[in-house]
Amino acid sequence: GENVEQHPSTLSVQEGDSAVIKCTYSDSASNYFPWYKQELGKRPQLIIDIRSNVGEKKDQRIAVTLNKTAKHFSLHITETQPEDSAVYFCAARSGGSYIPTFGRGTSLIVHP
Amino acid sequence: EAQVTQNPRYLITVTGKKLTVTCSQNMNHEYMSWYRQDPGLGLRQIYYSMNVEVTDKGDVPEGYKVSRKEKRNFPLILESPSPNQTSLYFCASSLLQPSSDEQYFGPGTRLTVT
Repeated sequence: GENVEQHPSTLSVQEGDSAVIKCTYSDSASNYFPWYKQELGKRPQLIIDIRSNVGEKKDQRIAVTLNKTAKHFSLHITETQPEDSAVYFCAARSGGSYIPTFGRGTSLIVHP
Repeated sequence: EAQVTQNPRYLITVTGKKLTVTCSQNMNHEYMSWYRQDPGLGLRQIYYSMNVEVTDKGDVPEGYKVSRKEKRNFPLILESPSPNQTSLYFCASSLLQPSSDEQYFGPGTRLTVT
């Protein structure tokens, strides 16, 4: 089955800095890569996703990049703000399955 | 309002006392699943269901049961809870269509087994 590794487990940045979270996956057939944000005490919510036919996708201050050859994808947050503080989960889903496999999460702390 | 609901939100129980956590969605989603979230371990899938009467084990199914008798409901049953099942549980649902991949999570149920 799919295996997703996520790094780092904790990331601390100053407000205004950029933050990058990286994930690797094992199944070369995976074709869908979502990112979920979980604020303290809340449920995970989808913030951005990318499919295997695209190398990069942006939505305002967040972007995701995908390198299919190396089997890794990354979340980039620019101009971080305190409200970006949360746990971020990456996930990968194989083309033959509707079931995503999640990484272990990254706790992002943005210091004012 | 499109949503996934779970009940109860908080539960403290004792070892061996059977309990059920309910999950319901009003979006006509085929796919539903249960996750447990533990510090440092992320979201681990317990069971999932592709449709009514179709369920399958996830990564950590031991000690849990599920049923899918109606499309909207997917209860999680702990027949004999143990302290190692103390965790935060999330139900999630999604459509089974390539263009609709987002999983919608419920608000979570924090379970403590003493």
